[in-house]
Amino acid sequence: AQTVTQSQPEMSVQEAETVTLSCTYDTSESDYYLFWYKQPPSRQMILVIRQEAYKQQNATENRFSVNFQKAAKSFSLKISDSQLGDAAMYFCAYRTNSFPYNTDKLIFGTGTRLQVFP
Amino acid sequence: GAGVSQSPSNKVTEKGKDVELRCDPISGHTALYWYRQSLGQGLEFLIYFQGNSAPDKSGLPSDRFSAERTGGSVSTLTIQRTQQEDSAVYLCASSLQGASFYNEQFFGPGTRLTVL
Repeated sequence: AQTVTQSQPEMSVQEAETVTLSCTYDTSESDYYLFWYKQPPSRQMILVIRQEAYKQQNATENRFSVNFQKAAKSFSLKISDSQLGDAAMYFCAYRTNSFPYNTDKLIFGTGTRLQVFP
Repeated sequence: GAGVSQSPSNKVTEKGKDVELRCDPISGHTALYWYRQSLGQGLEFLIYFQGNSAPDKSGLPSDRFSAERTGGSVSTLTIQRTQQEDSAVYLCASSLQGASFYNEQFFGPGTRLTVL
């Protein structure tokens, strides 16, 4: 079974600085997706960034980028130029992309609470 | 509406009572998911519906939990004989298609269930 581990329960960063959130996962599959989701106090999960395992290039979305190390099964999120609105819980998640394609569940880590200080 | 909606937003019940939680997916989305988020934990998959296919119920924690999806749209998650450990936020998500295609899962705001 696949597992996702986030070893940093809390992180903090000063506004305009850069912070990196860590995520490791375990799987025997070769084809899968990895995600970072943001959950603000409103509880609504928001997709931040997605990485496809067969793509070697790290995904980037504006101030958000990932460092995907497939062999090490590591998937960290870097937030550049941190803003007060980035404060939230961040969850790393895994989705299979392998036969028999009969499920579509996301497997989540336990989250990292990010605080942003002015 | 434009997004996934869930009702009620909050539910307080007494131990042993049954509860029903409702999810309205985004119109046209064929896949629907339920997740549970206990305090301080990540989201735990409960059940997945895709069109008319048999649902993936592998995440339901006990036979007190059941879910149905009527007409391929609205879904209801039912918890019978609630226990205090059922207290959690229950999140629903929908996507355009599931499984063999990648489509983003869009989440609702969740229902916070408190069992006294």
